[in-house]
Amino acid sequence: EDQVTQSPEALRLQEGESSSLNCSYTVSGLRGLFWYRQDPGKGPEFLFTLYSAGEEKEKERLKATLTKKESFLHITAPKPEDSATYLCAVPHNYGQNFVFGPGTRLSVLP
Amino acid sequence: DAGVIQSPRHEVTEMGQEVTLRCKPISGHDYLFWYRQTMMRGLELLIYFNNNVPIDDSGMPEDRFSAKMPNASFSTLKIQPSEPRDSAVYFCASTRQGSEAFFGQGTRLTVV
Repeated sequence: EDQVTQSPEALRLQEGESSSLNCSYTVSGLRGLFWYRQDPGKGPEFLFTLYSAGEEKEKERLKATLTKKESFLHITAPKPEDSATYLCAVPHNYGQNFVFGPGTRLSVLP
Repeated sequence: DAGVIQSPRHEVTEMGQEVTLRCKPISGHDYLFWYRQTMMRGLELLIYFNNNVPIDDSGMPEDRFSAKMPNASFSTLKIQPSEPRDSAVYFCASTRQGSEAFFGQGTRLTVV
């Protein structure tokens, strides 16, 4: 069964304190790993897609990396506006639908 | 494009009433998804369509839930009769094959 787990469940950082979020997946034949950001009261917003182990993508203070079993979202010198829930997802093994992890709630304190 | 548009944004209804949620996907997208999000269970897929045809409805909780996509620009999710445990945020998303999904702002449903 395709599964996606994320850790930690919640993370509190001081502004400028770098850290990483983890996304682990079990799916045969990975067809991409997707990172989303979700703000309260809004729908998930797409950040990155990674397709192969070793691939990296960057956007402002965020960098996503991928290995054969997990992905990391590195946050460098975060700001309070980076506070959100970060979700990762993979396409289901035999379909086009996406399996989402439970998310990591990130709070960045000024 | 205005993105995925959902209506209403908020819905409060009494137990036993019929509820209809609406979604307009992004033009040109051939996949449409309905998800439900709760604190306990996160984002769960209810059903998805490809070219207006339902492909997988195994996530639909029970017969009280039904979804339709009469054309490429409109879909509905109906709950009849509604129950308090249906209270959640319902998201519609659309995509092209192999691409990321784009989500609407969601409908927050409260059944009292």
